[in-house]
Parts: sequence; structure tokens; C-alpha cells
Amino acid sequence: AQKITQTQPGMFVQEKEAVTLDCTYDTSDPSYGLFWYKQPSSGEMIFLIYQGSYDQQNATEGRYSLNFQKARKSANLVISASQLGDSAMYFCAMREPYSGSARQLTFGSGTQLTVLP
Amino acid sequence: DADVTQTPRNRITKTGKRIMLECSQTKGHDRMYWYRQDPGLGLRLIYYSFDVKDINKGEISDGYSVSRQAQAKFSLSLESAIPNQTALYFCATSDRTGGNTDTQYFGPGTRLTVL
Repeated sequence: AQKITQTQPGMFVQEKEAVTLDCTYDTSDPSYGLFWYKQPSSGEMIFLIYQGSYDQQNATEGRYSLNFQKARKSANLVISASQLGDSAMYFCAMREPYSGSARQLTFGSGTQLTVLP
Repeated sequence: DADVTQTPRNRITKTGKRIMLECSQTKGHDRMYWYRQDPGLGLRLIYYSFDVKDINKGEISDGYSVSRQAQAKFSLSLESAIPNQTALYFCATSDRTGGNTDTQYFGPGTRLTVL
């Protein structure tokens, strides 16, 4: 079974509007971390936001927020007030402390976001 | 200057050649990782190292080897490159003292093409 599922291969959003990128995960471990990374067309991987499984509050970093619904095993990324520079591939990733490769990040297949002017 | 650097940034080589990709970091992190990314896919872990004397295989280590020459340097070698090793390779680092987050920070990537 996929550990991280991103069901939206591509998304479009109008500039200045908000957009939600979906991510669901599968783990039986009570302690885990969820990450979102941005990959622009230039190729680098940029860390955006982190949510721990025991965190009581949803994580926020500037225009990025994470809608964490633990019971539904979802960790959706919300980008508010989209900008043209937000056009990129976005990856959701999970870290489990006791997986076969300790503290390995498992990545989803990504969502390509295009912001329209 | 970038905190995590990778050399070379691009490399084209032929089947059977030995290739070394190098990663250096100035973040002072103890943990280093090598990933590969294939088109349309997420990243997959090749090897990771929690300190100079600790090397571990990841999900897809076959055909690869690594060397942790110092805390700040972690090299990935392809002993005999084959075309299906054509991919984008990333080095990443994280900090043991970063608490529960253990956030990984990535280098700019090396685009490797094996002909």
C-alpha cells in the first residue's frame, strides 16, 4: 500500500486565490512527522512546513498552512493568496521513526501547481 | 553561499563508467542522505549516514556505494553506471539536535544521464 498518496497530479489556481493540495498517509506508528516540499522547475527541493503527529495545532508558515486531520490521516497543504512564483511541484513526505530505514522520508508522487495570472 | 552543495550539477556518462557525486554542507548537521528522483515520481532513499562511522542502506541501494569522508562530506558512487540510473540525485542533511522534526534540507541536485 502507498504510504503517501497525492491524488492530484496537476492543479490550477488563479493568482491571489487560495489553493489546497491533498495528501493522505498510511502508518500504524503513533509517532510520525509530515513535511511538505516545493520543487520549482529549477529542480531544487525547498522545505515548506512540518507537522508532528502529536502537535495540537495545525502548522503555519507565512502563506502556508497544513490542514492536519489525524483521524482521516490527511495532511493537506493550503497556500493562501497564490503568487506566480508558487508554480511548482509540491511533495508531501512522511517520516516514521521505526520504519525499516529509521527516520527515512517517504515521498508522495507530487502535485504540479500552476498559478494563472 | 548555499548550505548544501552538490558537484557536479550535471553529468553525462557512458554505460560501465564509474561515477562519483559529491555533497558538502556547511550547516553543521551530523546526518546526511542520498536520494534519487525519477521523472514523475517522488524521491527514494539510496543511503544515509548518521555520523562519520555510521552508513546505512536505504530503499534502493543496489548498484550504489557511499563514503562519508568527514562530517561535512558525503559521496555517492556508481561503480558501473547503467542507463536506468539516469535520474536527478539529491543530497540532504538533517540535525540530530533538531528535536522531533529532524527536517531534511536538500542540495540543488545533480542531473545524471547514463548513455
